Amino acid sequence: GAVVSQHPSRVICKSGTSVKIECRSLDFQATTMFWYRQFPKQSLMLMATSNEGSKATYEQGVEKDKFLINHASLTLSTLTVTSAHPEDSSFYICSASWGAGYEQYFGPGTRLTVT
Amino acid sequence: GENVEQHPSTLSVQEGDSAVIKCTYSDSASNYFPWYKQELGKRPQLIIDIRSNVGEKKDQRIAVTLNKTAKHFSLHITETQPEDSAVYFCAASPYNNNDMRFGAGTRLTVKP
Repeated sequence: GAVVSQHPSRVICKSGTSVKIECRSLDFQATTMFWYRQFPKQSLMLMATSNEGSKATYEQGVEKDKFLINHASLTLSTLTVTSAHPEDSSFYICSASWGAGYEQYFGPGTRLTVT
Repeated sequence: GENVEQHPSTLSVQEGDSAVIKCTYSDSASNYFPWYKQELGKRPQLIIDIRSNVGEKKDQRIAVTLNKTAKHFSLHITETQPEDSAVYFCAASPYNNNDMRFGAGTRLTVKP
């Protein structure tokens, strides 16, 4: 099956710093990657959708200048949380898909803690 | 946009019993309905999916039914086992775009 990796798995950073999270599709070319945020005991909240080589599409209420997404290749997308604050602490999960109408394969997630 | 509702939020069954989780969706354009299982601290894993040209799909102890007219779909797990304990999410997506929306999740506990 399709394998998606995510790095780092856990990160602790100080308030005001930036953190970059990588999402890689290891054995397939992902034309589309997705970034989700998941609070404890809650559902997956879509933050943005990114297609290789184009700008990400952000969901309403998600600040694009705060959550920078880059999808430079068919196997790599990055999410940078800029000027992180404690309220940004969450579980961030990426997923990758061959394209519209196909299943999404999820990465293992990154637990971000901002102190 | 699509709105997916999922019930119940928690479900506890005895080992060997069946479990049913139900979801409704709002967008009639949705035609792809996956179900994901997420164990604590781990990634969601696709366990079964169904497309709108099919009313039912089965894979061993897991089955999914879809009623497009009523805009609802359900996950059925038979002969439940303790390892089935997890959070299950339904989702709905139109075929021609990537706008997949998830339900709120159901925490299933299977008691041995």
